[in-house]
Amino acid sequence: AQSVTQLDSHVSVSEGTPVLLRCNYSSSYSPSLFWYVQHPNKGLQLLLKYTSAATLVKGINGFEAEFKKSETSFHLTKPSAHMSDAAEYFCVVSDTMDSSYKLIFGSGTRLLVRP
Amino acid sequence: DGGITQSPKYLFRKEGQNVTLSCEQNLNHDAMYWYRQDPGQGLRLIYYSQIVNDFQKGDIAEGYSVSREKKESFPLTVTSAQKNPTAFYLCASRRTGVNQYEQFFGPGTRLTVL
Repeated sequence: AQSVTQLDSHVSVSEGTPVLLRCNYSSSYSPSLFWYVQHPNKGLQLLLKYTSAATLVKGINGFEAEFKKSETSFHLTKPSAHMSDAAEYFCVVSDTMDSSYKLIFGSGTRLLVRP
Repeated sequence: DGGITQSPKYLFRKEGQNVTLSCEQNLNHDAMYWYRQDPGQGLRLIYYSQIVNDFQKGDIAEGYSVSREKKESFPLTVTSAQKNPTAFYLCASRRTGVNQYEQFFGPGTRLTVL
């Protein structure tokens, strides 16, 4: 079975400093991985996706993630945090072996950005 | 603009009532999904539909029902059999085809049972 584990429930950074949100995955085959962002009482917006084309994936708003098969990780980074980055971030894997192609979500990491 | 709309944004239900949440998409996607989100948790799949007039149960379907009479519409009914319906409900859609795994989400409906 596929799964994702987000290693931090909360991350707090100062504005202008780097962001690192950690995610490990478990999959018996090449996974399709995503990072989604959710602002309070809003739907989810796709930040970026990995589908085996390149291990370093660039997304919107300056975010990027690196797929590391040897470490089963897909950590999300951003060089410089902005106040508008404060939100909940979800690491997600698509269950491509299930006929539903459902998304399997991590428990989320809440990013706080201090002025 | 193409996208997914959900209505209402907020919904209040009394004990024993059925309520229906609307989800409409104009992305021309074949597949549609309903997820439930509880505080501090990720999303869990309630129902999904890959094609008109067909739908399947997800991981937590008990107490819910759906229909898919039109490609663009996938309403969710929360019945009185759902023991703990207070949650944030999100609808999503996906383009079917090779390697098409990304899902697009609506803005959500927050349901509160009084």
